[in-house]
Amino acid sequence: NAGVTQTPKFQVLKTGQSMTLQCAQDMNHEYMSWYRQDPGMGLRLIHYSVGAGITDQGEVPNGYNVSRSTTEDFPLRLLSAAPSQTSVYFCASKRLTDTEAFFGQGTRLTVV
Amino acid sequence: EDKVVQSPLSLVVHEGDTVTLNCSYEVTNFRSLLWYKQEKKAPTFLFMLTSSGIEKKSGRLSSILDKKELFSILNITATQTGDSAVYLCFNYGGSQGNLIFGKGTKLSVKP
Repeated sequence: NAGVTQTPKFQVLKTGQSMTLQCAQDMNHEYMSWYRQDPGMGLRLIHYSVGAGITDQGEVPNGYNVSRSTTEDFPLRLLSAAPSQTSVYFCASKRLTDTEAFFGQGTRLTVV
Repeated sequence: EDKVVQSPLSLVVHEGDTVTLNCSYEVTNFRSLLWYKQEKKAPTFLFMLTSSGIEKKSGRLSSILDKKELFSILNITATQTGDSAVYLCFNYGGSQGNLIFGKGTKLSVKP
């Protein structure tokens, strides 16, 4: 079982560049979500989705876009990277009912 | 506003010590509280708690939930250096069941 797959694992961007973080799960989970993890801040919700075609904002959505065209994939787009977006990003998925959440391995993003 | 508060934020102990990590919460539509362990990479599942007063155990780790006082504890007995990690507590809350995280407790176990 692949579980939740995130790519890339590491990325360095220049300010103003755009990029897409990929997240894919093979467990047919309805719920998928993106978090950023910063020292002293814990994991903060960026965007989430409860099914294909349905997305919503979390706690810190500014500067990020998402889409959910399939159940499996939930990409996170940085439109114009800023140094404040330097962080570790995690994708997670779960069934809509309250079950265990599964996390990807994380993407360490540095914006210079 | 939904929130989860973990304490302490960091903790240094020696091998063999017993530690207790705390997680308090204020969450609308509370359903479950979960504990995860995060080492270098992705958080990994430890426990899911939905009912008060029922202890869950896995080896040297155990956890219990108090829904009246709105908190949970995670106990680790006879700590080992391999227990060094960040321990995350989170709830499923709100109308969509979003994960609501505490900031984590960083546990360091010295030999």
